[in-house]
Amino acid sequence: DAKTTQPPSMDCAEGRAANLPCNHSTISGNEYVYWYRQIHSQGPQYIIHGLKNNETNEMASLIITEDRKSSTLILPHATLRDTAVYYCIVSFPTGNQFYFGTGTSLTVIP
Amino acid sequence: GAVVSQHPSWVICKSGTSVKIECRSLDFQATTMFWYRQFPKQSLMLMATSNEGSKATYEQGVEKDKFLINHASLTLSTLTVTSAHPEDSSFYICSARDRGLYGYTFGSGTRLTVV
Repeated sequence: DAKTTQPPSMDCAEGRAANLPCNHSTISGNEYVYWYRQIHSQGPQYIIHGLKNNETNEMASLIITEDRKSSTLILPHATLRDTAVYYCIVSFPTGNQFYFGTGTSLTVIP
Repeated sequence: GAVVSQHPSWVICKSGTSVKIECRSLDFQATTMFWYRQFPKQSLMLMATSNEGSKATYEQGVEKDKFLINHASLTLSTLTVTSAHPEDSSFYICSARDRGLYGYTFGSGTRLTVV
């Protein structure tokens, strides 16, 4: 079962940073935090993942709190093409379960 | 990067027939593949996990005799929906884990419509 809680929807102005929160208070020590997004009628797209440290790649930044009970995905300059459902998932990297929660529907507004 | 190819992208079949969906990892070996189902405006629901060379592990409530999963090689897993009914109409998505990476790559999905 999904171990994450996310707000159902968010809006963000185009060009501004989008900050998407995720609560995962029951995360265990070796579980990673993964972020994916799904644009309508497509397969989920990998964004970023992390264990303890903050991570950054060409798409986004991931900020994980020190107690690891929550995280925030940051899209630094949101564009209209970033409109999608964003999923935060916690899982062992070699585990046999990868459960999706309800996700956050992000709408980027012109 | 890792690519997972899913085929077909959409299929329409008659009630009572069977449909096979293929999931291939194109540039990596996938020891584990996942199959999901997604209904409109809902999240992805994990149906089963398949490991190469062994029987799939089904999630609670998923009928293993109706959704047959075969993972005969490190690059191919198939999902067969047997005796399909209209309520099986859904978006089916596969995913594969590259054992060299800590990540999961998803296919583009298959839209199944049973008429």
